[in-house]
Amino acid sequence: GQQLNQSPQSMFIQEGEDVSMNCTSSSIFNTWLWYKQDPGEGPVLLIALYKAGELTSNGRLTAQFGITRKDSFLNISASIPSDVGIYFCAGTTSGTYKYIFGTGTRLKVLA
Amino acid sequence: DAGITQSPRHKVTETGTPVTLRCHQTENHRYMYWYRQDPGHGLRLIHYSYGVKDTDKGEVSDGYSVSRSKTEDFLLTLESATSSQTSVYFCAISENPDEAFFGQGTRLTVV
Repeated sequence: GQQLNQSPQSMFIQEGEDVSMNCTSSSIFNTWLWYKQDPGEGPVLLIALYKAGELTSNGRLTAQFGITRKDSFLNISASIPSDVGIYFCAGTTSGTYKYIFGTGTRLKVLA
Repeated sequence: DAGITQSPRHKVTETGTPVTLRCHQTENHRYMYWYRQDPGHGLRLIHYSYGVKDTDKGEVSDGYSVSRSKTEDFLLTLESATSSQTSVYFCAISENPDEAFFGQGTRLTVV
């Protein structure tokens, strides 16, 4: 089946640093979504992107829908300890209602 | 938080027994999904529904069946549980294909 390649798989950063992660696909996607999951909880939607080239922010988070429609990027500025968790990208392709998920980026913030 | 309730939240069952997980929503959303989450695999779609009595398979549907007799309820049944079905199961809902919201998850252990 379709897969989304998410990188990096994990990262340790210092508090206050900026973070970047990305997601790539072999297929064209119509929608890109970014989620954060805390331990023992379900994923929570952070940002949704609908158009190629779109740049959307949610507080310290900024995500972009790649021009090729095969990738997306998430940036977190000035990281804080509560940013710890697993970040997932997800997308839908034309004509489907199925969300395909990446394998996640595990973020750990060192105070 | 979207009104999604999964039950039970935790369950231990024996190999070969049938198990039913329930997802209940109060949002009147059209689409409902069942995912499983395993280390290294992210979230994988089991089955989804696009309306009452309208369901379709996801990428890992073998050994699972679903039913949706009412808008608000989506049931996932493991016909004969196996150890490989030990996982965390998440229900999600969406009103359109662009945003999905997740429940808290059900941790299932098959012994």
